[in-house]
Amino acid sequence: SQQGEEDPQALSIQEGENATMNCSYKTSINNLQWYRQNSGRGLVHLILIRSNEREKHSGRLRVTLDTSKKSSSLLITASRAADTASYFCATGSRAAGNKLTFGGGTRVLVKP
Amino acid sequence: GAGVSQSPSNKVTEKGKDVELRCDPISGHTALYWYRQRLGQGLEFLIYFQGNSAPDKSGLPSDRFSAERTGESVSTLTIQRTQQEDSAVYLCASSAGLSEETQYFGPGTRLLVL
Repeated sequence: SQQGEEDPQALSIQEGENATMNCSYKTSINNLQWYRQNSGRGLVHLILIRSNEREKHSGRLRVTLDTSKKSSSLLITASRAADTASYFCATGSRAAGNKLTFGGGTRVLVKP
Repeated sequence: GAGVSQSPSNKVTEKGKDVELRCDPISGHTALYWYRQRLGQGLEFLIYFQGNSAPDKSGLPSDRFSAERTGESVSTLTIQRTQQEDSAVYLCASSAGLSEETQYFGPGTRLLVL
């Protein structure tokens, strides 16, 4: 079963614009991670935020986490055509062996 | 160094046949995970190995699914008597252990059951 709900399910933007996607989850977590997937194959880890953190940056990526609302957001600034992909949030709990519970993903299309 | 590798990349089989999928984790990674991804959906956890501990099989959808791991190396996921609903991409990931939350994914095996 999937813990997370992501919205929007799909997003189409122009190159240079920002892309924001949101993720909600249901149970207690130790961390929340964002992954990117191109062409329905392997996932690339983007960023991890721990439950005691509220915001994290990595290059053009900004992630926020609100544990009181059980939600997270991923912002990609100054998007590029190469950012076109599906983005997934995943939650991990050390008590559950860090197995990840994924959301349904947001498909992002960046038009040149 | 080398990442997680999986074989085969693609597998087409007939309903009722058994299939074996292989995963080679990153050398030294003690934790290994299998996930399934149906078309257009997120990943579903299947099974998890950590060192010599008993595997967490809580995500296996039926007794037709099983997995083994040899020490801290190769793992095989076996699906017996395949059904059309088993068609999906099967992804393997490894991590350095419970203290390391980041998982590194292989390219997946795309399974099509006709």
